[in-house]
Amino acid sequence: DAGVIQSPRHEVTEMGQEVTLRCKPISGHDYLFWYRQTMMRGLELLIYFNNNVPIDDSGMPEDRFSAKMPNASFSTLKIQPSEPRDSAVYFCASSHNSGANVLTFGAGSRLTVL
Amino acid sequence: TQLLEQSPQFLSIQEGENLTVYCNSSSVFSSLQWYRQEPGEGPVLLVTVVTGGEVKKLKRLTFQFGDARKDSSLHITAAQPGDTGLYLCAGVKGNAGGTSYGKLTFGQGTILTVHP
Repeated sequence: DAGVIQSPRHEVTEMGQEVTLRCKPISGHDYLFWYRQTMMRGLELLIYFNNNVPIDDSGMPEDRFSAKMPNASFSTLKIQPSEPRDSAVYFCASSHNSGANVLTFGAGSRLTVL
Repeated sequence: TQLLEQSPQFLSIQEGENLTVYCNSSSVFSSLQWYRQEPGEGPVLLVTVVTGGEVKKLKRLTFQFGDARKDSSLHITAAQPGDTGLYLCAGVKGNAGGTSYGKLTFGQGTILTVHP
């Protein structure tokens, strides 16, 4: 398996623009997680899905953030409108029901909002 | 509120030295995980410790879970430049059997640099 695949790897955009980050989890995994990593706050869980259903979105900073998982092999994290404070590395991770806390992380999407 | 405190935040040592990284909390966790993250990559799970007092070894790395399941340590023997990276601990709550997700809380991390 190719692991968790994220795109784009790097994104530079201007304040106010819409940003869409994409994730393909490992085939057969039941859980999908979106994390954000910054120097100040470390790794924070934004939202996670189980069997394509959002379970806990309490970590989503505000209404500008939204996440979808239309099928088992694809998820998006959207920020609209983006702000400079959204600059961070966004990670997607997935896990299987048999080991729900054994997370495999993608390589991340580094977002810079100017 | 930072539930998991890691120390030290930065560690710069010479090849061959030993080191210990600590992960402390006032909360009890059902299990604790250690990850290693290299620049430009995502964290990679190294180990999960479940039982209070448990010790696990992974080559030159020794992981210990505190008796009260509130703290953990990672000891590296004879560090090598390839050990350089960000080490993260993560406490798990609410997952006793592993088949359902238990909320993960990450520490801030320890940046380790091993000089040749």
